[in-house]
Amino acid sequence: EPEVTQTPSHQVTQMGQEVILRCVPISNHLYFYWYRQILGQKVEFLVSFYNNEISEKSEIFDDQFSVERPDGSNFTLKIRSTKLEDSAMYFCAIPGSTDTQYFGPGTRLTVL
Amino acid sequence: AQKITQTQPGMFVQEKEAVTLDCTYDTSDQSYGLFWYKQPSSGEMIFLIYQGSYDEQNATEGRYSLNFQKARKSANLVISASQLGDSAMYFCAMPRGSGYSTLTFGKGTMLLVSP
Repeated sequence: EPEVTQTPSHQVTQMGQEVILRCVPISNHLYFYWYRQILGQKVEFLVSFYNNEISEKSEIFDDQFSVERPDGSNFTLKIRSTKLEDSAMYFCAIPGSTDTQYFGPGTRLTVL
Repeated sequence: AQKITQTQPGMFVQEKEAVTLDCTYDTSDQSYGLFWYKQPSSGEMIFLIYQGSYDEQNATEGRYSLNFQKARKSANLVISASQLGDSAMYFCAMPRGSGYSTLTFGKGTMLLVSP
């Protein structure tokens, strides 16, 4: 089972601030996903990233969001100017076999 | 577009009993798969079990099994011999397409296992 870590585990920020969430797969992957889960709700797809480009994004993934692979190993999700409604759990995921996706432990973002 | 429905917001079961968590789906794809994930109170998403639509036998992984009924478009998760550590949210999910595709999730079912 592929492993992926996420940092930080919990981020508290003020509304309007920029946050960067990081994800590091243990082994090298070309395909990568970000999902969001608002407290008490279902998991929602944000964006998928393949070979250094966005391959698909949802309507949630607006201009406030961006994804990068800054150094060839870890992946980042940036929120430029956070809003209260961005408070959620953010998961990165990597593919396994047979369409399986393995999720990282998540970053809990709290916007005050 | 895929749609996943989990109609049970909460389920209660006693330790050592079996429990079935319901999941129905809607898709126009001929080939598809169904996943179940467990989310304990700590928040991580743990992959439990997967079944492809062309698999002839229901998938099993330890105490987890999938009761897959294509005609009814249901893919229920059966947990045998429930344990206290099974208390968690359980999500059913389906890829939007084939290959490395994004997942569409249901709203989840909260399972509480009592001693």
